[in-house]
Amino acid sequence: GAGVSQSPSNKVTEKGKDVELRCDPISGHTALYWYRQSLGQGLEFLIYFQGNSAPDKSGLPSDRFSAERTGGSVSTLTIQRTQQEDSAVYLCASSLDLAGGRDTQYFGPGTRLTVL
Amino acid sequence: GDSVTQMEGPVTLSEEAFLTINCTYTATGYPSLFWYVQYPGEGLQLLLKATKADDKGSNKGFEATYRKETTSFHLEKGSVQVSDSAVYFCALGGGRSNTGKLIFGQGTTLQVKP
Repeated sequence: GAGVSQSPSNKVTEKGKDVELRCDPISGHTALYWYRQSLGQGLEFLIYFQGNSAPDKSGLPSDRFSAERTGGSVSTLTIQRTQQEDSAVYLCASSLDLAGGRDTQYFGPGTRLTVL
Repeated sequence: GDSVTQMEGPVTLSEEAFLTINCTYTATGYPSLFWYVQYPGEGLQLLLKATKADDKGSNKGFEATYRKETTSFHLEKGSVQVSDSAVYFCALGGGRSNTGKLIFGQGTTLQVKP
């Protein structure tokens, strides 16, 4: 079946602009995660959705970052007033969420964000 | 909090050499342990997993055993190929102190030369 898809694959923006990144999880997966991969910080957790609610937002680096999920499916990560340090690859993952967080997460190809 | 530590890379090996990439963890509860691989220009793929102590995960000739007594999950392969060149990430998920987010090690780059 179809895997996790993300769009756009690449995004170049100017400092101070807002950006929206989209994630389409695997059908039927109730859990959805956003991570960020950057050279200096490795792979960092950002936010976790269980259905449409977000019980863990502890990884969002500032209030410029927000995310929502609608219909228990598609999720959007929004970064307001982008800064150069926001440049990274943003990864989305989904899982069945049946085993208390121990399920396998399946990753999308990522969105490479470059802030000029 | 929970954490994962991997051996630093890059690791450079000749084809058919034996591979070990060390991974140790700190966690409360009973997490699952994972190895993910990222081939050049591609996304993260699950390589193998283990869900409880003494479980062995295996895939594509790679193996790792969940050792609770040494809090380790070392990745091994008996004979590497050039196509195994990639970045390998050890991760844990589902410890008592987290809600399912994966906590990753820093990644180890493996380069296999013909």
